[in-house]
Amino acid sequence: NAGVTQTPKFRILKIGQSMTLQCTQDMNHNYMYWYRQDPGMGLKLIYYSVGAGITDKGEVPNGYNVSRSTTEDFPLRLELAAPSQTSVYFCATQGGSGGTEAFFGQGTRLTVV
Amino acid sequence: QKEVEQNSGPLSVPEGAIASLNCTYSDRGSQSFFWYRQYSGKSPELIMSIYSNGDKEDGRFTAQLNKASQYVSLLIRDSQPSDSATYLCAVRGAAGNKLTFGGGTRVLVKP
Repeated sequence: NAGVTQTPKFRILKIGQSMTLQCTQDMNHNYMYWYRQDPGMGLKLIYYSVGAGITDKGEVPNGYNVSRSTTEDFPLRLELAAPSQTSVYFCATQGGSGGTEAFFGQGTRLTVV
Repeated sequence: QKEVEQNSGPLSVPEGAIASLNCTYSDRGSQSFFWYRQYSGKSPELIMSIYSNGDKEDGRFTAQLNKASQYVSLLIRDSQPSDSATYLCAVRGAAGNKLTFGGGTRVLVKP
């Protein structure tokens, strides 16, 4: 039982490149989230999903896109990477109607140079 | 106004003392409240969840919720050096059902 799996763990991108951060869960949770965490800061919500086929913007969605075609997968797409997107990205899931513990992946450390 | 606010710290406490962390939130309809601990370079891990007004105790941790004041707190009794970490307050709001985090409070427990 892997829980929440994020890939890759580390990545260096050049300005203007694109990439997809993968998040897969085997917990059959409806709620999934993408957060970014800048050094010394809290978690800022990028996008979230309450179920397959449903996504919504969080606090900082600009420069990112998501899709949720299955319950298990919630990829985060970065288009035209910018230095401001250098951060640690966390994927998280919640079961039930979202009022229970959120489980986090190990995070992806992204550097844009 | 930020949706969830915390003092960034650092909150420095001597070993064995009580650490008191505070969190305020803006969505009056929020129903679920969480405290997470995050060690440097690691993912957040759940310490406490609280859903109704009052106190909830779990070992050395006590969460307190006051919905009228839109305030939730965490007390760490008998603080240990291993409690040194960043503590994140998270609130599941009524608007959009999303889970929003505060900026975190860094706690340093000195031996």
